[in-house]
Amino acid sequence: DGGITQSPKYLFRKEGQNVTLSCEQNLNHDAMYWYRQDPGQGLRLIYYSQIVNDFQKGDIAEGYSVSREKKESFPLTVTSAQKNPTAFYLCASSHGQSNQPQHFGDGTRLSIL
Amino acid sequence: EDQVTQSPEALRLQEGESSSLNCSYTVSGLRGLFWYRQDPGKGPEFLFTLYSAGEEKEKERLKATLTKKESFLHITAPKPEDSATYLCAVRSDSWGKLQFGAGTQVVVTP
Repeated sequence: DGGITQSPKYLFRKEGQNVTLSCEQNLNHDAMYWYRQDPGQGLRLIYYSQIVNDFQKGDIAEGYSVSREKKESFPLTVTSAQKNPTAFYLCASSHGQSNQPQHFGDGTRLSIL
Repeated sequence: EDQVTQSPEALRLQEGESSSLNCSYTVSGLRGLFWYRQDPGKGPEFLFTLYSAGEEKEKERLKATLTKKESFLHITAPKPEDSATYLCAVRSDSWGKLQFGAGTQVVVTP
């Protein structure tokens, strides 16, 4: 079945530690996105990538980094510079420059130890 | 800047009690309005895309409509399995960036 796989489902970060969230898709989508979801708020865009080896900052990129070395993969690193990282992180993909909707993975919940 | 406001924040319905959710938006040039359903601890699941005022889409007990300023998601004769958070999002650029509302949490009791 085609879809988007996020791992791990739960992740804990210690002070000063960088952690990496995985996102893999087998939908052959060009574009991939990372969102952050906090209680009572809408999804906020962290980074997005339209093609391999290219990505752009979203609305809340500070304290995060990404890479896009393969079409199928778009990992997100939450760095120690992100002072409030506790949130639900969602990865999405779409056909990019088209009217097709974004499809989402089932998220990673990040907490601070 | 694109803005999306959803109301109410929460809605409690009896099974069979129809209701509507509202999504008001401000966007420079609408390239699509999207409705998603999100269950607790899961990612959003795509429901509908609407592109122009007057357009309507239906799926089982759900019907989405669009005007120039807002969209409605009508839930007809809801069942407990319709309990979820419903998210609205708008797209205004050519590369698919979405602006989401905060969602409406719907609880349907038997």
